[in-house]
Amino acid sequence: RKEVEQDPGPFNVPEGATVAFNCTYSNSASQSFFWYRQDCRKEPKLLMSVYSSGNEDGRFTAQLNRASQYISLLIRDSKLSDSATYLCVVKTSGTYKYIFGTGTRLKVLA
Amino acid sequence: GAGVSQSPSNKVTEKGKDVELRCDPISGHTALYWYRQRLGQGLEFLIYFQGNSAPDKSGLPSDRFSAERTGESVSTLTIQRTQQEDSAVYLCASSTGTSLQETQYFGPGTRLLVL
Repeated sequence: RKEVEQDPGPFNVPEGATVAFNCTYSNSASQSFFWYRQDCRKEPKLLMSVYSSGNEDGRFTAQLNRASQYISLLIRDSKLSDSATYLCVVKTSGTYKYIFGTGTRLKVLA
Repeated sequence: GAGVSQSPSNKVTEKGKDVELRCDPISGHTALYWYRQRLGQGLEFLIYFQGNSAPDKSGLPSDRFSAERTGESVSTLTIQRTQQEDSAVYLCASSTGTSLQETQYFGPGTRLLVL
């Protein structure tokens, strides 16, 4: 089993739609969680960190469920510019190694 | 300020040749990471440097791969006797190395093609 698993998609949604991605992690000692965004042929960039209480940044909401070992990303009012691959990233306690999921591809359609 | 830079941006080489990839992290960042990303795949951890501590080399796929870092500055990733399966984008990232919740900043990557 992979340490971090994501549905590869693609998720094709119309503009204005709400879309949610989940990511599961296998190591219960995982301590830090992030969502990164990667555009085609570009480097990953941090979208948001995920905090235990959940957090929101504009149209983006991230949630953490430690009991079930998954994190989620909700995107409201999707824009064409949201089209990208969303990478789930987990860091385990006591280490500076980041474990990346393979990403979920989102395509927002006009 | 300047971000993470990598060179070359593209490299085409013949099977069996050695290649050297360079990464300049953000100034003051003590942590530096190398990743490999094959086409359509996720990021594969290769190696991690933190200050003057011994690097975490657990992700290097074979002894053909090695990396060095001079102090808290430039790092080079060397691939000896390249194989076609080494073709990928090699990404470097740096971070402050002070917090578990810190952000990694990535360079634009080096696209390596082994013919």
